[in-house]
Amino acid sequence: GAGVSQSPRYKVTKRGQDVALRCDPISGHVSLYWYRQALGQGPEFLTYFNYEAQQDKSGLPNDRFSAERPEGSISTLTIQRTEQRDSAMYRCASSLDRLGNTIYFGEGSWLTVV
Amino acid sequence: AQSVAQPEDQVNVAEGNPLTVKCTYSVSGNPYLFWYVQYPNRGLQFLLKYITGDNLVKGSYGFEAEFNKSQTSFHLKKPSALVSDSALYFCAVRDKRLSERDDKIIFGKGTRLHILP
Repeated sequence: GAGVSQSPRYKVTKRGQDVALRCDPISGHVSLYWYRQALGQGPEFLTYFNYEAQQDKSGLPNDRFSAERPEGSISTLTIQRTEQRDSAMYRCASSLDRLGNTIYFGEGSWLTVV
Repeated sequence: AQSVAQPEDQVNVAEGNPLTVKCTYSVSGNPYLFWYVQYPNRGLQFLLKYITGDNLVKGSYGFEAEFNKSQTSFHLKKPSALVSDSALYFCAVRDKRLSERDDKIIFGKGTRLHILP
C-alpha cells in the first residue's frame, strides 16, 4: 500500500482480555518495527522483523506480548490478559531494508484497557 | 547498546528567530541518525537523516541538522522559525556496526518546540 496501515485505530478492551493489533507495511518493505508510545514521550522499541524473521524482541515488556509476521508482510502484535498499564499508542513502522533507510510510521493503534 | 538523549523537554523560540533542538547519541560504531516530527494527534513524520558524507544534512520544511562526531551530536536547526513548526521533535539513532540481530532504531524522549507569535 501507499503507507503503513494499522488496525484497529482505537481499541477499548476489558482487563484480562486478549487483543491483536495489525500492521500492514509499505509494499516491498523488508523491515518492520513495533513501538509503544506513551503520551508526550518517545517511541519505545518493542520488536522488529526482517522478512518473516523476528530479529530482536528485547523490548517486549513480558511474555504476555508477542508478535509475528508469518509471510514477511503483515504483522500482528498480540497482548494476552491485558492490564491497565498496557494502555498506550502502539505504532508500527517499516523500511525498505535494515540499512540507512528511513522508517515510515503508521498512524498507530490506540489501546485503552479498562 | 545505542542510546540517544534530548536534554531539553521544551524549547521556546520567537517566530522569525533561529531555532536549535539538541540531540546527543551513543553508539559503539558509527551512527545512522534521524529526526522525526509529531504534530498533535498525528503520526511521526520523517524530517531528515544522516547516513554518511556531508555533515550538514538538509531536510523537509527548511530544517537542517549537523552531525558532529567529536561531540556525538546531531542538533536540529532552522534559520527562521514559523508558528507552524510548533510540535514534538524526536531524534533517533541506529548503530551501523551492529549485526542484524541488534539493528533497532532507538528514539529520544522528545523535545516540545513552541514557536511564539
